[in-house]
Amino acid sequence: GQQLNQSPQSMFIQEGEDVSMNCTSSSIFNTWLWYKQDPGEGPVLLIALYKAGELTSNGRLTAQFGITRKDSFLNISASIPSDVGIYFCAGLSGNQFYFGTGTSLTVIP
Amino acid sequence: NAGVTQTPKFRILKIGQSMTLQCTQDMNHNYMYWYRQDPGMGLKLIYYSVGAGITDKGEVPNGYNVSRSTTEDFPLRLELAAPSQTSVYFCASSYRRTGLGSGNTIYFGEGSWLTVV
Repeated sequence: GQQLNQSPQSMFIQEGEDVSMNCTSSSIFNTWLWYKQDPGEGPVLLIALYKAGELTSNGRLTAQFGITRKDSFLNISASIPSDVGIYFCAGLSGNQFYFGTGTSLTVIP
Repeated sequence: NAGVTQTPKFRILKIGQSMTLQCTQDMNHNYMYWYRQDPGMGLKLIYYSVGAGITDKGEVPNGYNVSRSTTEDFPLRLELAAPSQTSVYFCASSYRRTGLGSGNTIYFGEGSWLTVV
């Protein structure tokens, strides 16, 4: 099955730094979603994007739906220790959701 | 509003045993899904359902069965557990509409950690 290319695979950053991660696909998607997964928990929806070029914020998080509809970006500003976790993207194409393999974020106080 | 609820949270099975993972959603979603998540891997679709009475295979259906008798419930059955089925299982649901910009979003349960020994 198709999986999305998500990068970077892992990040180690200092508290207060900004974070950027992205997902790319060879296929066009109608919807891009970003999730955070804490250890031992299920994925929690952070941001949903439904239109090419759309830029949406959720607190310190900002995500964009790429113009080509083949990519999406997530930015976290002024990171804090509770941002630690795995972030992954999901794209909707036709009848199916496809998922990235995740970006593991570690925030060093 | 509980969202997607799945049970049990943890289970250890012996090879050859059977069990059912329960999943229920209270959002009146038409689509429901079962995924498995293995370490370092993305989510892999096992089965999905587009509505009550309709189910279809995903990417990795072998060794599993599902049923969808109601809109709310979508149980996943393992008939003869094998070590390869040790994984974390997530149930999910979405309310699917047609067209661009139509608000399609998928919501997940908290996961079921299954170990087959």
